[in-house]
Amino acid sequence: GIQVEQSPPDLILQEGANSTLRCNFSDSVNNLQWFHQNPWGQLINLFYIPSGTKQNGRLSATTVATERYSLLYISSSQTTDSGVYFCAANYGGATNKLIFGTGTLLAVQP
Amino acid sequence: GAGVSQSPSNKVTEKGKDVELRCDPISGHTALYWYRQSLGQGLEFLIYFQGNSAPDKSGLPSDRFSAERTGGSVSTLTIQRTQQEDSAVYLCASSGRTSGMSRLYNEQFFGPGTRLTVL
Repeated sequence: GIQVEQSPPDLILQEGANSTLRCNFSDSVNNLQWFHQNPWGQLINLFYIPSGTKQNGRLSATTVATERYSLLYISSSQTTDSGVYFCAANYGGATNKLIFGTGTLLAVQP
Repeated sequence: GAGVSQSPSNKVTEKGKDVELRCDPISGHTALYWYRQSLGQGLEFLIYFQGNSAPDKSGLPSDRFSAERTGGSVSTLTIQRTQQEDSAVYLCASSGRTSGMSRLYNEQFFGPGTRLTVL
């Protein structure tokens, strides 16, 4: 079936370090989103990126649709970056449902 | 409103009781989705509403689950005869509408969720 896989499953960083999170998807996508789930459980939109590269402050994302992966880059990490990062893909069709990966748990230590 | 809102934020119920969860989508959004997040299953799709079209119920785990959307806006997810395995966070999302790859229409925005605990 359609799958979304994320790596690594968890990551511990020192404040100031950079990191790369990866998302692999099993088919061509209509929509790919990256979210940050904060400690209160709220899913915060980071990027809508079915293809190409986008940047927002210390975060950037790249999706290579032909190779079916997306990368989320976090530079100069801060303790407030801690939480779970999810990628989610929509494969089109009649439903716009998102299929979520299992997430990357990030802990940034001071 | 400014974002998707859900109520209640927390719900504790006894096994066998019925519960109703409410979602208010972003004003003007025509598509509405319910997902749930549980420890064993991660984040999974439940149901999707788009305008006046018949909803896609393919993600509902059993016939104890139902949802409706009144007037193309507010939605209610109902779980009848709750079981302990229904304990999860129920998340609602909305988007403009589905139309090709346009971010304006496809990007989904999530509410804060309702944490359901079935004792």
